[in-house]
Amino acid sequence: LAKTTQPISMDSYEGQEVNITCSHNNIATNDYITWYQQFPSQGPRFIIQGYKTKVTNEVASLFIPADRKSSTLSLPRVSLSDTAVYYCLVGDHTGGFKTIFGAGTRLFVKA
Amino acid sequence: NAGVTQTPKFQVLKTGQSMTLQCAQDMNHNSMYWYRQDPGMGLRLIYYSASEGTTDKGEVPNGYNVSRLNKREFSLRLESAAPSQTSVYFCASSEGVGYTFGSGTRLTVV
Repeated sequence: LAKTTQPISMDSYEGQEVNITCSHNNIATNDYITWYQQFPSQGPRFIIQGYKTKVTNEVASLFIPADRKSSTLSLPRVSLSDTAVYYCLVGDHTGGFKTIFGAGTRLFVKA
Repeated sequence: NAGVTQTPKFQVLKTGQSMTLQCAQDMNHNSMYWYRQDPGMGLRLIYYSASEGTTDKGEVPNGYNVSRLNKREFSLRLESAAPSQTSVYFCASSEGVGYTFGSGTRLTVV
């Protein structure tokens, strides 16, 4: 099971781009990288998933270097409502079975 | 499109009492999971069910049992609640890309 390491917390201001990096040195060949967002009193919500290079959707971008030992979630022009905990997970493409959630990164966006 | 529905949303138990947390999904997903989240912590997997008829232990299964009743429903039972089981419990399902989580059950054991 690949273990991930993320910063415990980050602060930003509205309108800025936020990049959260996750380290996963023991990622396996078949593993995908998945990011989730969690607001207080809610379950985590899927943001984005990738295997290599770059993936972009309407919410975020995910950058994965060639060695896949790390990944960076990029949130463009954050707003106050992006204040949440962000989790990086590594596992099979279903994101399921024994995939481990770490403590996540607490992002606080200020006005 | 309800997604994953958990009941109850809140529950207070006395030490030694039993209860069952219910979870149902309407997305026809094969895999279902139970996680617990303690204050300020990440989620820890209690049990999972890769498909109907199968269940397996996760990281923290002690003190819990599960039943995959059918493809839609996956219940979590606490046979004899302990204060250490005070937590928020999340049910999730998956098929393909990522999990879909329920809104959680906040359980307090006094």
